[in-house]
Amino acid sequence: GAGVSQSPSNKVTEKGKDVELRCDPISGHTALYWYRQSLGQGLEFLIYFQGNSAPDKSGLPSDRFSAERTGGSVSTLTIQRTQQEDSAVYLCASSSRTGGNQPQHFGDGTRLSIL
Amino acid sequence: DQQVKQNSPSLSVQEGRISILNCDYTNSMFDYFLWYKKYPAEGPTFLISISSIKDKNEDGRFTVFLNKSAKHLSLHIVPSQPGDSAVYFCAAKVPNTPLVFGKGTRLSVIA
Repeated sequence: GAGVSQSPSNKVTEKGKDVELRCDPISGHTALYWYRQSLGQGLEFLIYFQGNSAPDKSGLPSDRFSAERTGGSVSTLTIQRTQQEDSAVYLCASSSRTGGNQPQHFGDGTRLSIL
Repeated sequence: DQQVKQNSPSLSVQEGRISILNCDYTNSMFDYFLWYKKYPAEGPTFLISISSIKDKNEDGRFTVFLNKSAKHLSLHIVPSQPGDSAVYFCAAKVPNTPLVFGKGTRLSVIA
């Protein structure tokens, strides 16, 4: 498809396990973002990638969170030793560039539930 | 400290009438503002944007107004339709940084 693709759409796991969330951005988009939305909250920025530049990790809530972007395309967000407060919808977005007035286009998210 | 605030968590409007969604911000460096619409179990969908050099942008039934002196923007939907029922997020950005989102306003358009 032409849009941002995220997998899995839902993930239920036990506290303490590691999880990996995947994002396939729109082809040709150089900027990729991860956000999360906890219940009743807005979208909280986590990390973004722009081309080959070092990622902006300023939004990651703890060192249990990390993300990679391989080959400038697909990205994986990893949460180690998951906690119940990690339960949220994790959203990925891409845009043609970070600078300038370009809207971000979102995937449908991964709903993560930590038991 | 919330830089983008949507003070109304919900809004109900009759079909055919105008919906006005409001957003306030605190960072005077924001230069680009966007509205997104979100249906349940879907990602946010880009709706309309406005640059800080403008005070109005219109696209069909949707108009965004920006009042820089008041640090306020609003989204007008007219006429409102039942399919407009969704959560609307206001977002803003400083150049070369990610978007900062408000907490959203749930719009219900009643037929």
